Amino acid sequence: KQEVTQIPAALSVPEGENLVLNCSFTDSAIYNLQWFRQDPGKGLTSLLLIQSSQREQTSGRLNASLDKSSGRSTLYIAASQPGDSATYLCAVSGSARQLTFGSGTQLTVLP
Amino acid sequence: DADVTQTPRNRITKTGKRIMLECSQTKGHDRMYWYRQDPGLGLRLIYYSFDVKDINKGEISDGYSVSRQAQAKFSLSLESAIPNQTALYFCATGLAESDTQYFGPGTRLTVL
Repeated sequence: KQEVTQIPAALSVPEGENLVLNCSFTDSAIYNLQWFRQDPGKGLTSLLLIQSSQREQTSGRLNASLDKSSGRSTLYIAASQPGDSATYLCAVSGSARQLTFGSGTQLTVLP
Repeated sequence: DADVTQTPRNRITKTGKRIMLECSQTKGHDRMYWYRQDPGLGLRLIYYSFDVKDINKGEISDGYSVSRQAQAKFSLSLESAIPNQTALYFCATGLAESDTQYFGPGTRLTVL
């Protein structure tokens, strides 16, 4: 059974700092890995999707990397802003194309 | 208008009651999903449907049932609600050729 772990569970940083969120998974037989953002009272928003054959994806200030063989992914956020405050969830897609989620990292960016 | 809507947004009910949560989408996607989220845990898949005639159990389907009334509508029912079904419930949609899923705003369900 696939298990996804996210460390740290919570993170607080001052505005402008670069930061890294970590995600690990136990079964390397994945189709892809996605990073989502969750805001209170709202649904999840997909940020980046990395196919299993890819090493990284970039969108604006966000960069996600994938090392499938070691079962790890990182989400790098450059020049953090208070608007980046949210919970960030990592999810992997397995053979049935179902998503298995981590428990998330709650990020607070202080002005 | 939101692409994926869920009703109700909040619901408080009592143990033993039958509850239906509804999800509608205007994205024209074939695939629809129901997840639940508990504090400190990630989302867990309850049921998913790849089209109107294709419904599958997810990781935690016990105590739940679903109905895909049309391509745009996917309902989740709790036949006899119990307190440990208190959670945040999300509906999501997706396309067969893409693994990206689009989530509704969630329904917060409390079972007393």
